[in-house]
Formats: sequence, structure tokens, C-alpha cells
Amino acid sequence: QKEVEQNSGPLSVPEGAIASLNCTYSDRGSQSFFWYRQYSGKSPELIMFIYSNGDKEDGRFTAQLNKASQYVSLLIRDSQPSDSATYLCAVNMGEYGNKLVFGAGTILRVKS
Amino acid sequence: GAGVSQSPRYKVTKRGQDVALRCDPISGHVSLYWYRQALGQGPEFLTYFNYEAQQDKSGLPNDRFSAERPEGSISTLTIQRTEQRDSAMYRCASRPPTGVDTQYFGPGTRLTVL
Repeated sequence: QKEVEQNSGPLSVPEGAIASLNCTYSDRGSQSFFWYRQYSGKSPELIMFIYSNGDKEDGRFTAQLNKASQYVSLLIRDSQPSDSATYLCAVNMGEYGNKLVFGAGTILRVKS
Repeated sequence: GAGVSQSPRYKVTKRGQDVALRCDPISGHVSLYWYRQALGQGPEFLTYFNYEAQQDKSGLPNDRFSAERPEGSISTLTIQRTEQRDSAMYRCASRPPTGVDTQYFGPGTRLTVL
């Protein structure tokens, strides 16, 4: 079992729709969770981080965390073609919580 | 600098040669991380420094891989006796000393071993 799992996709949504990206993780002791966006050929770019159970909103993005279910998600409202990218879920693991473990990423395609 | 920089951006080498990849973190960032990213996968943790101290090297694949950060700033990842399976994108990230424990990535070095 992988430590951080994501559906590889591609997830296709029409422009203006809500895109929902999901991630599960194995380490119950993990305390911090991140979503990175990676355009083809580029480096990962931080979008959101979340530490507490519940929702965290930033503009069109909402991160959701459920530690009991070991589940974290990212919602993108009013999806735009420019949101088309790979979305990487990352969980801080390791003895001192300083080791980011990434999922394989979900490819999102927003069609205009 | 404005962001994490890495050099070279591209490196092509022959099997058996040694390579050294350089990372210059964001000014003031004391924590530095090395990752390797294969095509279609997320970054895979290799090693982590806090200042000049290598805190975790559990992700280094074998003893051909080593890293150093002697003055707590620039870091070098060295791969000795390269093999074709070492071909990948090598990414460096740095983290600010306080506040949110987010990591900021550099552009990466694309290593190709022929």
C-alpha cells in the first residue's frame, strides 16, 4: 500500500464546473497536508496547506481534511482551462514531520 | 535570490561517470530538501538538511548517492558511477525557518544517463 494515494485521472470537467480531487494517506500521525499544482514541464507550485479537520478556503480553492478517515481533498470552483495541470497531494511524515511524501498526482483537464 | 535555483538545468552523462547537482535555496531558508521525480510520478524524498546538518537521508537509494551542505546554504547532490536507472528530474526545495512548514521547489535538474 502506497503512503499517499491519488486517482491518476485524467479528470475532465467543463469550464465553470467544480473539480474535486481526492487523496488518502496511511500515516495516522501526519499533521500537515499540502496540495501542489504542477504544469507540464514545470516544478510543483504550492496551492494550499491544511492542518486542522474541516474546510479551508482560499479564493476558488477549498481544501478539506478528515483525519479520522485519513482523507484530504481539493475542490476547485469555477474551473478554468488554466487550471489544467497535475495536482499533487503531499503529506508531511517522518520522525520530525519534515519529510513530504507525495502522491503520484491527478491530471485535471478543464475543457472550454 | 527570488527563488530556489538549481544548476545545471540539464545534464547528460555516460554510464559510470560521477555527477554533481547544485541547489541554491531561497535566502534565509535554513531547511533544504532533495527529491527525485520520475515521469508521471510525484517527487520522491531523498534527503533533508537543517542548516548544514543532514537530518534525514533515508530516501537516498544506495551508497552511490550523497549530499552535502557544508556552509548551511548551497547544497550539492552527488551521484557516483551513474547508471541508466538514475535518469530522472532531481528537484531541490527549501523551507522558511518559521511559520508554515511549506516547501518551495526549484526548477530541477534533468539528468540523463546514456
